[in-house]
Amino acid sequence: DGGITQSPKYLFRKEGQNVTLSCEQNLNHDAMYWYRQDPGQGLRLIYYSQIVNDFQKGDIAEGYSVSREKKESFPLTVTSAQKNPTAFYLCASSKQGRGEQYFGPGTRLTVT
Amino acid sequence: GIQVEQSPPDLILQEGANSTLRCNFSDSVNNLQWFHQNPWGQLINLFYIPSGTKQNGRLSATTVATERYSLLYISSSQTTDSGVYFCAVDLNDYKLSFGAGTTVTVRA
Repeated sequence: DGGITQSPKYLFRKEGQNVTLSCEQNLNHDAMYWYRQDPGQGLRLIYYSQIVNDFQKGDIAEGYSVSREKKESFPLTVTSAQKNPTAFYLCASSKQGRGEQYFGPGTRLTVT
Repeated sequence: GIQVEQSPPDLILQEGANSTLRCNFSDSVNNLQWFHQNPWGQLINLFYIPSGTKQNGRLSATTVATERYSLLYISSSQTTDSGVYFCAVDLNDYKLSFGAGTTVTVRA
């Protein structure tokens, strides 16, 4: 089945630790995105990538880093510099930039 | 940046009722999508509708780009329609800007 997978579903970390969230897609999409959702709110863009080895900051990139070494994969690292990392993180992809975006199931990160 | 406003913020329906959700946006857009977020957090694509009207079963959507709004219609609502409905727009910069959502509760 074609789709977007994110792992793990739930993640717990201690403050001060970096953590990497996985996002993989087998839709042959060129563009991939990371969003953050806080309770009762809409999604906000963290980073996006239109092609391999290229990515741009979104609205709330501070404290996050990404890589795009393969078309299928777009991992997100939440660093210790992110002041409020506890949130629901969603990955998305689209056939091209500005195309219809499709979302993975998300990862709930809790940092204590 | 672009402003996206959804109304109403909350909607309670009796099963079988019809409803209309509204999305207003502050600038011309290249892309407009409607999503349904289920209780597990998954975002389900409902419509990709930068302009015009589309229908999918009991759901339909209309976007009037020149007047900067979109409407999502739910007919004969079912309990499985419960959840949060998001409107999201792409101005011209490869990102979706989301509204705050409409929380729909359908009671049996």
